[in-house]
This record gives sequence, C-alpha cells and structure tokens, in this order.
Amino acid sequence: GQNIDQPTEMTATEGAIVQINCTYQTSGFNGLFWYQQHAGEAPTFLSYNVLDGLEEKGRFSSFLSRSKGYSYLLLKELQMKDSASYLCAVDQGYSTLTFGKGTMLLVSP
Amino acid sequence: DTEVTQTPKHLVMGMTNKKSLKCEQHMGHRAMYWYKQKAKKPPELMFVYSYEKLSINESVPSRFSPECPNSSLLNLHLHALQPEDSALYLCASSQAEKSSYNEQFFGPGTRLTVL
Repeated sequence: GQNIDQPTEMTATEGAIVQINCTYQTSGFNGLFWYQQHAGEAPTFLSYNVLDGLEEKGRFSSFLSRSKGYSYLLLKELQMKDSASYLCAVDQGYSTLTFGKGTMLLVSP
Repeated sequence: DTEVTQTPKHLVMGMTNKKSLKCEQHMGHRAMYWYKQKAKKPPELMFVYSYEKLSINESVPSRFSPECPNSSLLNLHLHALQPEDSALYLCASSQAEKSSYNEQFFGPGTRLTVL
C-alpha cells in the first residue's frame, strides 16, 4: 500500500534550525516534493528531489535517500513566518502526488 | 505568468443549489487537477485532466462534475452537495502528466460551505 509518514507537529525557536522527516513506502517513485502551506492558503512549492543527496535553496534544504525511503526538509535561521504546515508528497510517476498528512511547525520568539 | 487563479474565493450554497468553481492557468500546462482539503488534513486528489481529457477520477461522487473546456480552464460543477462537502477546493496544474518533473502549481483555493 501507499504510506507516507511525517510528524504531526513540531515546535522550534526563532533563529534555530529544524529538520522535518518524511518516510515513504509507495508503489512507484518519480520524485519527492516538499510544499509549505499557511492556514487557509494554497500549498507553495519548496523543493524537489529525485536523486539521492542534498538540494540546497537558501534557508531551505531537502535530502533524499531512495534506498531508505526517507527524506528530510531542513529549515535554517527560522523566522516567525515559517510557522506553517509542511507537506511531503511523492510523485509515483503516473501524474499524481500522494501527500503525507503534513507537519505543523510552530515557531516561537 | 506563473499563476493559477480560482474563482470564487468563497462560496456558500444550499444543498439544492447548483454552482461551479472555476480554475485558470496560462503557463501552457497540459495537466490540471482538483483537490479537496479539509481542515488540518492534506489535499485529497479528486480528478486529473491530461490534455483536456479526464484521466483520473478518484471515486468522487457524481454530485461533483468536472469539465475542461480548453487547456487553460478547468471547472468543477456542484449539485446537491452535502454539508460534509464543505472544504477548501484546490486547483493545480503541471507541465504534463508523465513528464519527469511534475511540480504542481496550486491556485489559492475556493472555500466552500454547504448549508
């Protein structure tokens, strides 16, 4: 079956670093996306990994290990505006994204 | 233009009403999607259109009827909805259904309330 797991909630302090993990078991794999979603708004694209390794984009980095079915999103120098839900989504190669349940990140001063 | 637009932003309807949600993109994307999202849950895929043809229907009740008049437009026709259908309805688009890079661009959503 399809299974994508991520923690339900995480808290961190402004200026800190936080790592959000995602493990997946899917029938197909054509890449893994991370999206950010603020309450009541649309998801916005953060990163895409299809090969093993680390992709860095400013304060955000994403890592993928296909053999372990594992990814993480690393957020550095946290800001209050980073408080949001972070969605891990697997492209199984037949046009659809399968989303994890999302991780609600709360950044406090 | 890297935007997906959706109208209306908010919609309140009774269970006997007929209404439509609209979605538009001008990025030349050939795949378009409808998702339903309840509060504190991830988006759930409803329909996928590829090259203006319905390619995936995730067992959605017939009271939801999608339509793709052309490659830029996607509609969702609503009829005889139930209160439990109240949710955020998201439209998304991507380059092509079977491309190697399938980033989906989401619209802002329509917040639907069924009374």
